[in-house]
Amino acid sequence: QKEVEQNSGPLSVPEGAIASLNCTYSDRVSQSFFWYRQYSGKSPELIMSIYSNGDKEDGRFTAQLNKASQYVSLLIRDSQPSDSATYLCAVNGGFNKFYFGSGTKLNVKP
Amino acid sequence: DGGITQSPKYLFRKEGQNVTLSCEQNLNHDAMYWYRQDPGQGLRLIYYSQIVNDFQKGDIAEGYSVSREKKESFPLTVTSAQKNPTAFYLCASSPSGTGGDYYGYTFGSGTRLTVV
Repeated sequence: QKEVEQNSGPLSVPEGAIASLNCTYSDRVSQSFFWYRQYSGKSPELIMSIYSNGDKEDGRFTAQLNKASQYVSLLIRDSQPSDSATYLCAVNGGFNKFYFGSGTKLNVKP
Repeated sequence: DGGITQSPKYLFRKEGQNVTLSCEQNLNHDAMYWYRQDPGQGLRLIYYSQIVNDFQKGDIAEGYSVSREKKESFPLTVTSAQKNPTAFYLCASSPSGTGGDYYGYTFGSGTRLTVV
């Protein structure tokens, strides 16, 4: 069974701060990694993808990947109350199958 | 606009009853998936299909069945053999092959199933 681990939270940050969300995975051969945002009662929506070691920035979001440590993270700069959601880490397991972590709940306090 | 449509949004099942959840996509994706999400847990794979008329069991297939007669459609039947079906069910699609591995999933809006 391929494992994807996330701290369930909740992670509470004040508005305007940086939120840091972390994910570890067990499958060394995984090549693609994704972050989804899921609002309560809604379906997940893709916010970031990363394939190479290092950082990838998109607006207020930065994904970081370290394949040697089997670690992927998501930074949210200038956090807003609208960022309050559960963030799911997904790891590709080959053959178009993805494995999901249980998600980290983020609360951004005004 | 392209996307995935799941219906119904809410579904109530009586004990011993089979119910079918609909999933239709117009993204021209080859691969389709069904996931189950329980509170506080991640998404667990029920079934997936990479091509029409072919599908494979995921990690929790017992008590569920699927069909893939058309590229656009991948319905899920929750049978009476599934003893704890109350959950949020998500359908997803992606391109097949290497492209799919780097594309990720597009999700439908989900069906919330409750046993009454």
